[in-house]
Amino acid sequence: SSELTQDPAVSVALGQTVKITCQGDSMRRYYASWYQQKPGQAPVLVIFGKHDRPSGVPDRFSGSSSGNTASLTITGAQAEDEADYYCYSRDSIGNHRVFGTGTKVTVL
Amino acid sequence: QVQLVQSGAEVKKPGASVKVSCKASGYTFNDYYIHWVRQAPGQGLEWMGWINPNSGGTNYIQKFQGRVTMTRDTSITTAYMELNSLRSDDTAVYYCAREDGNYQLYYFDFWGQGTPVTVSS
Repeated sequence: SSELTQDPAVSVALGQTVKITCQGDSMRRYYASWYQQKPGQAPVLVIFGKHDRPSGVPDRFSGSSSGNTASLTITGAQAEDEADYYCYSRDSIGNHRVFGTGTKVTVL
Repeated sequence: QVQLVQSGAEVKKPGASVKVSCKASGYTFNDYYIHWVRQAPGQGLEWMGWINPNSGGTNYIQKFQGRVTMTRDTSITTAYMELNSLRSDDTAVYYCAREDGNYQLYYFDFWGQGTPVTVSS
């Protein structure tokens, strides 16, 4: 199966911008979706497709993609954005699915 | 409103089996695949497989082939995940999730609350 690689951890100052990347072969064929997970909670969808957000997700969250890399950007990070973030897509082999390795975002 | 409600926490001994349920409501059960995802303590999300509630067809990741069985009961709109021959490294929170999308885009729009499974002698 394919792998989706993310940086293990990033930090961002309050109100600043942070970009989280997700790299893998499946990104050339499929769009990523992104999930926010806070401790002790189930993941929550924040971005799907090119740049769609479910209702209720702040517009400071945005997505993009180029080549084998998808990205999630938080513009004007807030304290409540501190969480783990995972990308997800269909695997490039078969009808399986794959999660990224996850990125812990710390808001300073 | 769409809801996925999972069964409660389980404690099992090594070698035993566990069966986790996921009760769906608020939508047409047959219209969306149900996936199972697990998360070991302090680790990332791991995709396990899916079931098509309409046909009962399944697809499992190779790692769990032969040990996992996903089923559904459409009469009560409930999906099940059974994992056999449990080992200590199966200790994790198990989630069910509803998948939407097709072709190039797939995403989980609703998740169950998670079921902690502890495997310990």
